[in-house]
Amino acid sequence: RKEVEQDPGPFNVPEGATVAFNCTYSNSASQSFFWYRQDCRKEPKLLMSVYSSGNEDGRFTAQLNRASQYISLLIRDSKLSDSATYLCVVTVQNNNDMRFGAGTRLTVKP
Amino acid sequence: GAGVSQSPRYKVAKRGQDVALRCDPISGHVSLFWYQQALGQGPEFLTYFQNEAQLDKSGLPSDRFFAERPEGSVSTLKIQRTQQEDSAVYLCASSSTPQGVEETQYFGPGTRLLVL
Repeated sequence: RKEVEQDPGPFNVPEGATVAFNCTYSNSASQSFFWYRQDCRKEPKLLMSVYSSGNEDGRFTAQLNRASQYISLLIRDSKLSDSATYLCVVTVQNNNDMRFGAGTRLTVKP
Repeated sequence: GAGVSQSPRYKVAKRGQDVALRCDPISGHVSLFWYQQALGQGPEFLTYFQNEAQLDKSGLPSDRFFAERPEGSVSTLKIQRTQQEDSAVYLCASSSTPQGVEETQYFGPGTRLLVL
């Protein structure tokens, strides 16, 4: 079983839709959690950190459930520019040892 | 300021050839990481440097893979006797803090290696 698992998608949604991605992790000792965004043939870029209390950044909301070892990302009012692969990232042992999921691909269509 | 840069951006190698991939981290960044990203997968950790010290090389897939950062800045990932399964994008990332302190990693554009 992979350490970090994501639904690979693809998710194809119309502009303005709300879409949610889920991620599960296997290591209960995981310490920090992130969502990264990766555009086609580009490097990953940090989208947002995920905190236990849940956090929001504009149209993006991230939530963490430590008991279920589950992370989610909600995108509201999706834009064409949101089309990308979204990578769930978990750190283990120390905060620089990152484990990536395989990513969930999102395509937002007009 | 300048971000993480990597060279070459693309490399085609014949099976059995040695290759060297270069990473220039953000100036002053203490931590440097190498990742391997296969098509359709997320990046997988290869190795970690804190300044010039290679503190973790647990992700290197075989002894054909070797990384160094002799002066604590530029790093080189070397792959000897390349195999077709080495074909992937090799990503370098750096962060300003040592291991154990939460800090964003900044990724370079990657080197796309194709082994024929």
